[in-house]
Amino acid sequence: EAGVAQSPRYKIIEKRQSVAFWCNPISGHATLYWYQQILGQGPKLLIQFQNNGVVDDSQLPKDRFSAERLKGVDSTLKIQPAKLEDSAVYLCASSLGGLAGAPNEQFFGPGTRLTVL
Amino acid sequence: AQSVTQLDSQVPVFEEAPVELRCNYSSSVSVYLFWYVQYPNQGLQLLLKYLSGSTLVKGINGFEAEFNKSQTSFHLRKPSVHISDTAEYFCAVSRRGGSNYKLTFGKGTLLTVNP
Repeated sequence: EAGVAQSPRYKIIEKRQSVAFWCNPISGHATLYWYQQILGQGPKLLIQFQNNGVVDDSQLPKDRFSAERLKGVDSTLKIQPAKLEDSAVYLCASSLGGLAGAPNEQFFGPGTRLTVL
Repeated sequence: AQSVTQLDSQVPVFEEAPVELRCNYSSSVSVYLFWYVQYPNQGLQLLLKYLSGSTLVKGINGFEAEFNKSQTSFHLRKPSVHISDTAEYFCAVSRRGGSNYKLTFGKGTLLTVNP
């Protein structure tokens, strides 16, 4: 079974530029997550999709970050304009979609390491 | 809201020694508990989880963890570590009874196994 795919793996940009990351979840997984992992910290949830609808985006900086999952499969996360503090690894994860009363395992992709200069 | 504290940012041990990575959580509601491992330049992989039932949970690669409700802890243990266990370990919680099972992670513990 193929895992969660992400691209690019690495990206270096200047501040105020824009950048986009792509994620392809495991086939059949209804739930997709984007996390931000700053060096020395644990991952922080940015946004969660259930199929193509947003379940939780409470920690997404909406003035500069946006995400979409138009057909309920692939997803893109965009930053425009980027700031120095956006330097981090951006992780995508997917899960089957929780059955009532029990969380399904989240499977993580390898991440995209973003450096903002 | 939930929070997770991993008490040690780095734990160096020698090969074949036992190890314990400590995790405490804070929550006003009941939670599910998880340990994830992250090898260099890779995504996170689930080691084990506590959903209900026995408080001693066994996971992959010989790891186990014990849920202690009174101490709000979920410490990870392995009786004998290998060089290949060198990685970052993250403890995480998710609220029970919610519909989105959002994970809140600790800051991680870097386990370094030396020969």
